Amino acid sequence: DTGVSQDPRHKITKRGQNVTFRCDPISEHNRLYWYRQTLGQGPEFLTYFQNEAQLEKSRLLSDRFSAERPKGSFSTLEIQRTEQGDSAMYLCASSFTRGSTDTQYFGPGTRLTVL
Amino acid sequence: AQSVTQLGSHVSVSEGALVLLRCNYSSSVPPYLFWYVQYPNQGLQLLLKYTTGATLVKGINGFEAEFKKSETSFHLTKPSAHMSDAAEYFCAVSRNSGYSTLTFGKGTMLLVSP
Repeated sequence: DTGVSQDPRHKITKRGQNVTFRCDPISEHNRLYWYRQTLGQGPEFLTYFQNEAQLEKSRLLSDRFSAERPKGSFSTLEIQRTEQGDSAMYLCASSFTRGSTDTQYFGPGTRLTVL
Repeated sequence: AQSVTQLGSHVSVSEGALVLLRCNYSSSVPPYLFWYVQYPNQGLQLLLKYTTGATLVKGINGFEAEFKKSETSFHLTKPSAHMSDAAEYFCAVSRNSGYSTLTFGKGTMLLVSP
């Protein structure tokens, strides 16, 4: 069990550019979540996958955001035409269904700065 | 809808003193409750969780929390603070069924002085 990994750890981009983040969940975890955390706030849910299916998206996820999880393994989160308001820490979490308990394990996050 | 309120954005204690971080939740269904800790520039680490059963839950690093349904609270405690406990702590709630996203509080920064 190597934990959830995210790449890159830091990303600085100019407004209007596209960025893509990657998340590798814990092996065999079938659920994967994306959250966004801004300064002074707790993480906020963005979207959720069970295997390769994207089952829920938050209203926070505007049409400039897209997430995929091909083959139910790693996931990518893309932000198109970045805005300064997109500056945040993007956290990925994964979990494995066991009974009714769904404990999420978080990665180290990708910190995005939009200039 | 679910929500979490963490009282106090910052809590300061001396090393060796009792740590008490407050969390109140709102949920229309029986909740699952979690405490996570976040060290600077790192992701969230699970401290402990309440699902069902015993209302006093013990976690890692000597932390524990008690689920009090009548008070809708899930306060986090540790008898004796250590310098290494300095971090930000988040309380979170999820629905008690199937998968569920986590709803987090705004966090409490714990400061530990020597």
